[in-house]
Amino acid sequence: NAGVTQTPKFRVLKTGQSMTLLCAQDMNHEYMYWYRQDPGMGLRLIHYSVGEGTTAKGEVPDGYNVSRLKKQNFLLGLESAAPSQTSVYFCASSYSPLDSFGFKAFFGQGTRLTVV
Amino acid sequence: GENVEQHPSTLSVQEGDSAVIKCTYSDSASNYFPWYKQELGKRPQLIIDIRSNVGEKKDQRIAVTLNKTAKHFSLHITETQPEDSAVYFCAASIRANAGGTSYGKLTFGQGTILTVHP
Repeated sequence: NAGVTQTPKFRVLKTGQSMTLLCAQDMNHEYMYWYRQDPGMGLRLIHYSVGEGTTAKGEVPDGYNVSRLKKQNFLLGLESAAPSQTSVYFCASSYSPLDSFGFKAFFGQGTRLTVV
Repeated sequence: GENVEQHPSTLSVQEGDSAVIKCTYSDSASNYFPWYKQELGKRPQLIIDIRSNVGEKKDQRIAVTLNKTAKHFSLHITETQPEDSAVYFCAASIRANAGGTSYGKLTFGQGTILTVHP
C-alpha cells in the first residue's frame, strides 16, 4: 500500500514548455486534489475531483488543467509554463463517507517545479 | 469563500516548554479543523483534527481547542522536543457541493515554523 505517489519529484522547465504531473493513489479514494505551496502562503487549492471523470476549479486554477480518467489517477497539466508557476505541488486524496462532515486528506511527497 | 488566518508565522521555544499556534476562520459553516505537520522537504502529515461538535481533543502531548463562537481554534504542544520542529498548518473544512456530490473543501492557514531548541 503506497498511499499517494507523485511523479516526478523534481523538474526544471523553460518558460513556455508544457508538462504533466501525475498523482496516483491506491486507497480507493473518491476525492483527489492538487495544491501548490509557496512560502508564507500555505497550501492553495488549484483543482480538485470528486470522482472519476469529474474535475472542478479551486482557488488558483489559471494556467493549469487536470484530468481524472481513472479513479486512482489525477493529472495536473501546465500547457505553457511561466516563472510564476515555480512552486512545490502537492497532490492529496481523501475518502469522505456521505454522512461525514469532514474528511482526512493524505498527501503525496510533493513535486518541486522550477520554471526559468 | 473561507479564509483562515494563522499566527504566529514563526515560533521559537526551548525544549520542554509549551507551544501554542492559533488560527481563525471566517465561515461559520466550517465544521472540521485538521492540523498538519510538515517536516523539511516532506509531505504534510495529519497530526490531530477536531470536529465542530467538540470543544477540545487531546492526543498525548498535543491538543486542539475550538471556540465556534469566536471562530478560532488552537494547537497546543506540551513538553516540546527537538523533533517537534517543523512547519504546522491549520485548516478549516466546509461542506461543499460539486455536481450533486457533497465533499469537504479544505482551506489552509499560512503555516507556522516551529523551532524547538535543545
